Amino acid sequence: LAKTTQPISMDSYEGQEVNITCSHNNIATNDYITWYQQFPSQGPRFIIQGYKTKVTNEVASLFIPADRKSSTLSLPRVSLSDTAVYYCLVGVRNTGGFKTIFGAGTRLFVKA
Amino acid sequence: NAGVTQTPKFRVLKTGQSMTLLCAQDMNHEYMYWYRQDPGMGLRLIHYSVGEGTTAKGEVPDGYNVSRLKKQNFLLGLESAAPSQTSVYFCASSSKSSSSEAFFGQGTRLTVV
Repeated sequence: LAKTTQPISMDSYEGQEVNITCSHNNIATNDYITWYQQFPSQGPRFIIQGYKTKVTNEVASLFIPADRKSSTLSLPRVSLSDTAVYYCLVGVRNTGGFKTIFGAGTRLFVKA
Repeated sequence: NAGVTQTPKFRVLKTGQSMTLLCAQDMNHEYMYWYRQDPGMGLRLIHYSVGEGTTAKGEVPDGYNVSRLKKQNFLLGLESAAPSQTSVYFCASSSKSSSSEAFFGQGTRLTVV
């Protein structure tokens, strides 16, 4: 399972765009990149997943360069309610279940 | 939609006591998982199941047992609780077709004194 490295914490202000970068130098050919969000006292929640280039949904965008050794989660115009821990995960998508390793994540704090 | 439901939400145990945590999902998912999360840390996989009647060990299985007698339920047992098992326990499930999109329960906060 590929190991990921992401910043421990980030601060932002309401209305700003936030970019959280994750590095995964040992990503394998079959690995997908998945991001989860976790609020205090809640279980993690799936945000977005991608394999290469760019993926966008109603919550976030995910940018993956051609070498796939890193990825960037982009949250547009954050609000106070986006204060949470964000986890970058790398693993095979459909084989053997969700046994991906969770690191400590990035703690995002959005200020007014 | 209920999604993934964990029972109980809170529990305090004395060292040496046993208990069972129940996880139920109503999404007809094949895969189910138990994680634990300690303060300031990410989640660690305890056990998982890829189908009814099957279970497998994760990263930190020692001191825990699991059973999946029905597809919708996944039970986590502590036979003899220890203070080191004080943690928040999360159950999750995912489908076979998109296993990396997991749905998590609200967690069970367990304290062993």
